[in-house]
Amino acid sequence: DADVTQTPRNRITKTGKRIMLECSQTKGHDRMYWYRQDPGLGLQLIYYSFDVKDINKGEISDGYSVSRQAQAKFSLSLESAIPNQTALYFCATSDARKEQETQYFGPGTRLLVL
Amino acid sequence: QKEVEQDPGPLSVPEGAIVSLNCTYSNSAFQYFMWYRQYSRKGPELLMYTYSSGNKEDGRFTAQVDKSSKYISLFIRDSQPSDSATYLCAMSGYNKLIFGAGTRLAVHP
Repeated sequence: DADVTQTPRNRITKTGKRIMLECSQTKGHDRMYWYRQDPGLGLQLIYYSFDVKDINKGEISDGYSVSRQAQAKFSLSLESAIPNQTALYFCATSDARKEQETQYFGPGTRLLVL
Repeated sequence: QKEVEQDPGPLSVPEGAIVSLNCTYSNSAFQYFMWYRQYSRKGPELLMYTYSSGNKEDGRFTAQVDKSSKYISLFIRDSQPSDSATYLCAMSGYNKLIFGAGTRLAVHP
């Protein structure tokens, strides 16, 4: 089984709809991240969480919210989806005990907002 | 100016070629430097990491960091079609990773 899983893998939605992307991990890591990836822009950090009670905004948090339901679960919500939120979304985890902060990524969710 | 600059390519080479992938950065506080490989429709996976300046070799892959020039490189020797992927550099700072845009590499038989 994959260490970092994301659901759904693909999603098509309409402008104005609320949607939630979910991430679960079995690696036992404290830190979890949400990124979006757009062609030519690389990975941009949306939100990150260093433990269940710690939530931080990344560089592009506007229009997004997150919930850390448990150490192993981190959800990303688009409150009112808009077309420029069409992108590939990745969840990642890292081990705070490791100095080099290697991040482990899920398989991604491909989101299309019409 | 972005903190990390990486040429997006695409880069197309014949099988067996030596590939050089590069990134430049602006923040001298970065200490850990990483290369991630991302196959189509997959999440990035860590390929190599290097602490501070110097070289690190792993099989056909060599990572170099020159902190004085704020320049990092990944060399792939005897490139194979299976190396076709997007390669992202990343640097550790402020408890976060800062990624380059990624270079798309195609190795053709």
